[in-house]
Amino acid sequence: DAGITQSPRHKVTETGTPVTLRCHQTENHRYMYWYRQDPGHGLRLIHYSYGVKDTDKGEVSDGYSVSRSKTEDFLLTLESATSSQTSVYFCAISDGQAGSEKLFFGSGTQLSVL
Amino acid sequence: GQQLNQSPQSMFIQEGEDVSMNCTSSSIFNTWLWYKQEPGEGPVLLIALYKAGELTSNGRLTAQFGITRKDSFLNISASIPSDVGIYFCAGQGNAGNMLTFGGGTRLMVKP
Repeated sequence: DAGITQSPRHKVTETGTPVTLRCHQTENHRYMYWYRQDPGHGLRLIHYSYGVKDTDKGEVSDGYSVSRSKTEDFLLTLESATSSQTSVYFCAISDGQAGSEKLFFGSGTQLSVL
Repeated sequence: GQQLNQSPQSMFIQEGEDVSMNCTSSSIFNTWLWYKQEPGEGPVLLIALYKAGELTSNGRLTAQFGITRKDSFLNISASIPSDVGIYFCAGQGNAGNMLTFGGGTRLMVKP
């Protein structure tokens, strides 16, 4: 299995509070991604990174920010969580060019915003 | 943006039966992929397809890249209880583009 660790695995928070999710990889892969998974929508890309301090927006980036200060860590921040951000969040990595088809996923973070 | 329509949304079958699911798009893709997600885990790549008409197998799984490049199919033969999970298709336009995922097919297998 690819060395990807997401933390926390579960989080319950209140509307309006800030939340940070962490993804840590031990594969030294260049590309890292944050997806959210919602019933009927599959996986939708929030943000991705193509190197340290290099990030770009995905399909559903509103309300989210990211940071990558080290190759191995990619943080997803919800500045002020809303109920619509209740979801399962997956981090993924790849070693090829951006959009490389062979993504390796973490085990996910279940986030509930009450 | 691009959308992938995956069907069926869910299937409840008897152990030993064959399974078919498909994914269609209004846009052409140059790469099709199939992932499986087991409960409580992230998706895992099953099969990748790179050429129109390509047929690729991985054990009891067989996937095909549609000739129009707008669809793909996944078949599972002689299903077993551990086939349970959500199967996602994903398409990539040009190299370097992000993947677009289908909504998933939830497979349940009755022993």
